[in-house]
Amino acid sequence: GQQVMQIPQYQHVQEGEDFTTYCNSSTTLSNIQWYKQRPGGHPVFLIQLVKSGEVKKQKRLTFQFGEAKKNSSLHITATQTTDVGTYFCAGPTMAGGGADGLTFGKGTHLIIQP
Amino acid sequence: NAGVTQTPKFRILKIGQSMTLQCTQDMNHNYMYWYRQDPGMGLKLIYYSVGAGITDKGEVPNGYNVSRSTTEDFPLRLELAAPSQTSVYFCASSDRSGEQAFFGQGTRLTVV
Repeated sequence: GQQVMQIPQYQHVQEGEDFTTYCNSSTTLSNIQWYKQRPGGHPVFLIQLVKSGEVKKQKRLTFQFGEAKKNSSLHITATQTTDVGTYFCAGPTMAGGGADGLTFGKGTHLIIQP
Repeated sequence: NAGVTQTPKFRILKIGQSMTLQCTQDMNHNYMYWYRQDPGMGLKLIYYSVGAGITDKGEVPNGYNVSRSTTEDFPLRLELAAPSQTSVYFCASSDRSGEQAFFGQGTRLTVV
């Protein structure tokens, strides 16, 4: 079945360092979404990318969607303690003629050392 | 706007007991989902619904049942709880399938 893989599983950084997480899908995606989950919290939507090669920025966060629409990345510049959490990518789960929810990667846990 | 509301937030069940996890949304979304999240893992889809009266199985439906009698409510029923069902359960809704999902706060369930 459809799979979404993320690496790395864990990333330790010093505060102020950059951070990147990568996402790869086994199938071409109509869109890719990124969510952030704080420890003990629930996933919160960050962004959706739709176009091949699309790049979007939110302050220190940069999101990219690959040309083949099968991979994506999230880059955080100069991490802060507020960036701690797990970052998930997700793509539409395709079944029959349409999408049935989202398939999530296992997430990248970002741990920041002050 | 309350968004997606789940109750209870925490629950401990004994093996063999049953319970219903409640989920309600006030965004008039047609699509609703139940996911489970095990420690260090991603989210796995249990059941989903594309509208009132329509439900379907996701990736891990065994041991669970759902109903969707109204647009707002999508309860998840656990019958004969087992330790393997210890997890965090998230309900979510979306305006369009495969697009931005809004999650509830989660229910942390322990089966002992």
